[in-house]
Amino acid sequence: ETGVTQTPRHLVMGMTNKKSLKCEQHLGHNAMYWYKQSAKKPLELMFVYNFKEQTENNSVPSRFSPECPNSSHLFLHLHTLQPEDSALYLCASSQVEGGQGPRKSYNEQFFGPGTRLTVL
Amino acid sequence: KQEVTQIPAALSVPEGENLVLNCSFTDSAIYNLQWFRQDPGKGLTSLLLIQSSQREQTSGRLNASLDKSSGRSTLYIAASQPGDSATYLCAVAGYSSASKIIFGSGTRLSIRP
Repeated sequence: ETGVTQTPRHLVMGMTNKKSLKCEQHLGHNAMYWYKQSAKKPLELMFVYNFKEQTENNSVPSRFSPECPNSSHLFLHLHTLQPEDSALYLCASSQVEGGQGPRKSYNEQFFGPGTRLTVL
Repeated sequence: KQEVTQIPAALSVPEGENLVLNCSFTDSAIYNLQWFRQDPGKGLTSLLLIQSSQREQTSGRLNASLDKSSGRSTLYIAASQPGDSATYLCAVAGYSSASKIIFGSGTRLSIRP
């Protein structure tokens, strides 16, 4: 496997279900991201993990719960979703410079193929 | 707050033409600018990355330019082919926070055979 992989590629779930999206990067990067892409809207950053620590949460509802067990794997746990959460969920990775300091530099991002989520 | 705009939202040209896609941004304090291609229902494929200190980058038939002072970047596609049909997105990255990675809404390009 190369690059960034995501599973599953398609997911249909009811509002009471619990499911998880998985992302894995094989690029040796130290940062991973979750994005949401809805129809006719720009990509929305949801979460960022840098060195396995969550560094950003863009006011995402608690029904989305991320998990980053190591720098190569990222999960998005889903529960009690709403129909408006239906979207393409994209994972990305990049190398971040600047360590844990305030002036980080975010380098080229590489994206996975996405998970098309439909909430009924 | 950084805003990224891509105009036009959609573009259709005949095969073989050279074309330019535009990306404008409001805050010139950027670290880099990245152009992506996205096929329908798929992820984003990185095309070119321009660092803030650079003026242009080239890859095959693609050339991306950056003018920070005017807040503009262009993606030039030479000798367009039907396989170039896709949505092209630009993203600018600021410093210090991944929330400063801002994407445009994209230009949907269609190349007519």
